[in-house]
Amino acid sequence: EIVLTQSPVTLSLSPGERATLSCRASQSVSSHLAWYQQKPGQAPRLLIYDASNRATGIPARFSGSGSGTDFTLTISSLEPEDLAIYYCQQRNNWLYTFGQGTKLEIK
Amino acid sequence: QVQLVQSGAEVKKPGASVKVSCKASGYTFTNYYMHWVRQAPGQGLEWMGIINPDAGSITYAQKFQGRVTMTRDTSTSTVYMELSSLRSEDTAVFYCARDQGVIPHQAGSFDYWGQGTLVTVSA
Repeated sequence: EIVLTQSPVTLSLSPGERATLSCRASQSVSSHLAWYQQKPGQAPRLLIYDASNRATGIPARFSGSGSGTDFTLTISSLEPEDLAIYYCQQRNNWLYTFGQGTKLEIK
Repeated sequence: QVQLVQSGAEVKKPGASVKVSCKASGYTFTNYYMHWVRQAPGQGLEWMGIINPDAGSITYAQKFQGRVTMTRDTSTSTVYMELSSLRSEDTAVFYCARDQGVIPHQAGSFDYWGQGTLVTVSA
């Protein structure tokens, strides 16, 4: 099973600041990596697919990069509504795993 | 518009089984894979398995092998997830989520999610 390790566990930043979230895979997943945002009491929402493609309706301040084993989700200028937990997720053939999540706090 | 509507909350005793449904609308049901994801209270997301609504083929996560059964009913555009031998650690919200890719292409990302079904396991 491919393990995804996200860092940091918690990130506390102010509105307007840049957020950089990391996801590292235990082996190469090529570009088969997605990012999700989950707000309290809600289902997750797809932000980024195939490592760097924004999903429909996702603001341009969200961007993804990376390939192989190291991936990054960047939020260029934080908005108060970005308070959430962010998960990465990989696909390897027919098996999938999620990272443990990064909690983003807005000061 | 695409919608995934799940069945309501359940309370079960240890050792029992639960069957959660997910009714799809707004797209061609047999064109997209469906996944099930579990989330225990205050915990992260855990992938359980994937079903091909057209062929009925399934892949389960190893952790749930032998305890989970995923099925589909193409006449009602509904997928089901049944988990047996429930224990307290199975208390969680269960989500169905549509794969973004059109069968046979597997995108590996989940573009639409159900609202979640809370299953509580308690004596």
